[in-house]
Amino acid sequence: KAGVTQTPRYLIKTRGQQVTLSCSPISGHRSVSWYQQTPGQGLQFLFEYFSETQRNKGNFPGRFSGRQFSNSRSEMNVSTLELGDSALYLCASSEGTAPIHYGYTFGSGTRLTVV
Amino acid sequence: GDSVTQMEGPVTLSEEAFLTINCTYTATGYPSLFWYVQYPGEGLQLLLKATKADDKGSNKGFEATYRKETTSFHLEKGSVQVSDSAVYFCALSDEGGYQKVTFGIGTKLQVIP
Repeated sequence: KAGVTQTPRYLIKTRGQQVTLSCSPISGHRSVSWYQQTPGQGLQFLFEYFSETQRNKGNFPGRFSGRQFSNSRSEMNVSTLELGDSALYLCASSEGTAPIHYGYTFGSGTRLTVV
Repeated sequence: GDSVTQMEGPVTLSEEAFLTINCTYTATGYPSLFWYVQYPGEGLQLLLKATKADDKGSNKGFEATYRKETTSFHLEKGSVQVSDSAVYFCALSDEGGYQKVTFGIGTKLQVIP
């Protein structure tokens, strides 16, 4: 079956702009989680959505938001971009109906560069 | 809160050498433990997992044993190949944490011919 699809793969934005990233999970997976990966901080949890509801949230400012649609596709939005938002943004899907004993399936990520 | 500690590296080994990447964790309850691998330009792939104490996860010649007494989940491989060069992440999912997974900083492995 198809894997986790993230679009776009690369983005270059200017400080102050906003950006929307998209993630399509594996068919049948209802949970989508987002992570920010940077060289200094590693993987930082942003939020998790299940059946269109945010179930879990990390320690990021309100400029970072997300949503999930009825087909489980998810988007995350970052407003008023800062240079420090430059990172690889990873989406991970899972079945979502139990604690995550089976692991995530990750997409290839969106590389965001803020200039 | 939950945390995972692993060395950042890089770890440089010659082909066919023995690999150990240490991982220790802090969590409440009985977490599930994972190793993920990330090849250049790609997302993370699940390498192996263990869901309870004394479980051994294994895949592609890699293995790790869930040691609750030492809160550790060290990754080992008997003979590394150049193709194993990647970044390896240790991670845990607390039993009450639904889909939130806590990752270590990642250890970069370089295998030279």
